[in-house]
Amino acid sequence: DIQMTQSPSTLSASAGDRVTITCRASQNINTWLAWYQQKPGRAPNLLIYKASNLEGGVPSRFSGSGSGTEFTLTISSLQPDDFATYYCQQYNSLSFTFGGGTKVE
Amino acid sequence: QVQLVQSGAEVKKPGSSVRLSCMASWDTFREFAIHWVRQAPGQGLEWMGTIIPMAGTSSHAQNLQGRVTIIADESTNTAYLELSGLKSEDTAVYYCARALSDYSFFDYWGQGTLVTVSS
Repeated sequence: DIQMTQSPSTLSASAGDRVTITCRASQNINTWLAWYQQKPGRAPNLLIYKASNLEGGVPSRFSGSGSGTEFTLTISSLQPDDFATYYCQQYNSLSFTFGGGTKVE
Repeated sequence: QVQLVQSGAEVKKPGSSVRLSCMASWDTFREFAIHWVRQAPGQGLEWMGTIIPMAGTSSHAQNLQGRVTIIADESTNTAYLELSGLKSEDTAVYYCARALSDYSFFDYWGQGTLVTVSS
């Protein structure tokens, strides 16, 4: 199975900060990567698909980049509503593996 | 409006089985993949399995081999997850999610169903 490793696991930031989260795949997944945001007690919400495509309705301060095995999610200017946990997910193989999550606090 | 509505919370004894449902609101239910993902308390997301009603095919995570069954009822636009041989480690929130195809991201999620396994 493909393993997905996110870093950091926890990130302390303030409103207005630029935030970057990294996700590494254990093997090449091309750009078959999605990013989700999850708030406590809620289902995950799709932010980005195919590594860099913004889902409709998602604010433009979110962006994604990368290909192969290294990916990043960037929030250009953190807003109060962005304090949440973020997960990457590969959909290159049938295991649909998620990263361990990054809590932005 | 695309919605996935899941069944209510369950409390089960170890060794028993649970069947969860996930009802889709869109007409072309059979053309999309439905995935099941679970999240143990305070933990991350774990993919469990998927079904594509149109193809009549399902697959599941290897670590759940023999314990998980995923089916779809096209007459009611509902997908089901059955998990047998429940253990305390199966205590989690179970989500269903929609994907555009068998290898695609998950664009809509259900609200989640809490399953508690306790003696």
